[in-house]
Parts: sequence; C-alpha cells; structure tokens
Amino acid sequence: AQSVTQLDSQVPVFEEAPVELRCNYSSSVSVYLFWYVQYPNQGLQLLLKYLSGSTLVKGINGFEAEFNKSQTSFHLRKPSVHISDTAEYFCAVKGHTGRRALTFGSGTRLQVQP
Amino acid sequence: DTAVSQTPKYLVTQMGNDKSIKCEQNLGHDTMYWYKQDSKKFLKIMFSYNNKELIINETVPNRFSPKSPDKAHLNLHINSLELGDSAVYFCASSGDRAPYEQYFGPGTRLTVT
Repeated sequence: AQSVTQLDSQVPVFEEAPVELRCNYSSSVSVYLFWYVQYPNQGLQLLLKYLSGSTLVKGINGFEAEFNKSQTSFHLRKPSVHISDTAEYFCAVKGHTGRRALTFGSGTRLQVQP
Repeated sequence: DTAVSQTPKYLVTQMGNDKSIKCEQNLGHDTMYWYKQDSKKFLKIMFSYNNKELIINETVPNRFSPKSPDKAHLNLHINSLELGDSAVYFCASSGDRAPYEQYFGPGTRLTVT
C-alpha cells in the first residue's frame, strides 16, 4: 500500500514569485508519481507524471517536479506564478504492482496574490 | 469533445432518496473508476471496473452500487441517501497498461438536505 503526505495545506504567494509545493510518499514497492491540478468547480487535470528515467519532469503551464528516491519526495515547482495558477494541487502515487487506483495526498491550495 | 463526462453536474436531494450519477468516456479505455472528494478536498477511491468487471471495491456502504453496462460507461447508484453522502463524486478512466494514467470527469456535486 502507498500513502502520500502534502505538508502544506495552503501556500500563499505573490504573482511572479517562485513556488514549491511539497509532496512525500511512502511505498514498499517502486512507484509512479503524479501531480494533478483542480481549478475551482472543475475536475482534475494532469500536470505532470514521473514514470522512470530522468528525475526532473516537466509538465504543462511551466510546472516541473523532481523525483528524489532517497527522500521519497516529488516536489512541484514553478519559477514564476500567475494569478491563473490559483487552484488546488494534488500529489498522487501508484505502485508498480498492486491495484490500479491512485492514492492521493490531501491537497495544497495555491493562492496567488497580485 | 469531452473525454470523460458525468451527469448531472449538480444534484440536490433529500435524505432517504435514491439517486444515480452517470459517467461516460470516449477514450477507448478499459478501466473506469469512482472517486469521492469530501468537504476537505480529500480524494478516495470507491470502485473500479475493468471491462465491466468489478476490480476494486473499497469499504463503501452497501447503499452505493456501481454498474457498468459496457466498458465506456460506469454509473453510480446510491440508495437511501444520508447527509454524510454529500460530496463531489469524480469518475475517471485509464488504459489497460501501467502506469494506468487516469483522466477525470468534471465531477458531480451531491448535496443531501
């Protein structure tokens, strides 16, 4: 079984500032890792994913994440945020073996202020 | 074209009623899921079907019954609705190979009064 911890429930940041949203996971098997974004009153949209290979993964809307196996982390970063990035961000994990469903973290609310 | 669609988007009903939520995907995927997002935004798997066969059945009350008439559709029927059932329900689908990347529908906000 897997678990995901998103350490920050809310992250306020000013427009054009950099941001990092933290995600740590626990698993007894190798994992696939995902970041999803949920804009207000919408469904979840995949931002990026780590499957294997290069630990730095680039996604949509200028986001990137780095997989760190020793620290079991998959932090999401963006060098310069926009007002439109205000949303809820979810980190999710799925083991290489086991059931197909994703295990989600509790989410981080990114609030970009002008 | 919408990849994963759900109807209705909003559902307001009284305690004790029975309601259904429908989901359809046009991605050609073999696996579909229902997730529940509670008031604190926490997402948790409820059910999953692969080619009309139930493969995941979490500890969900028996009042919840999924039905998959074909691999493109997965419906969720809820009997005797309770206040605690109020949540956003998301349908998702994935292909039949790892990493089973999931595509989500827009969600159905269920409010039980």
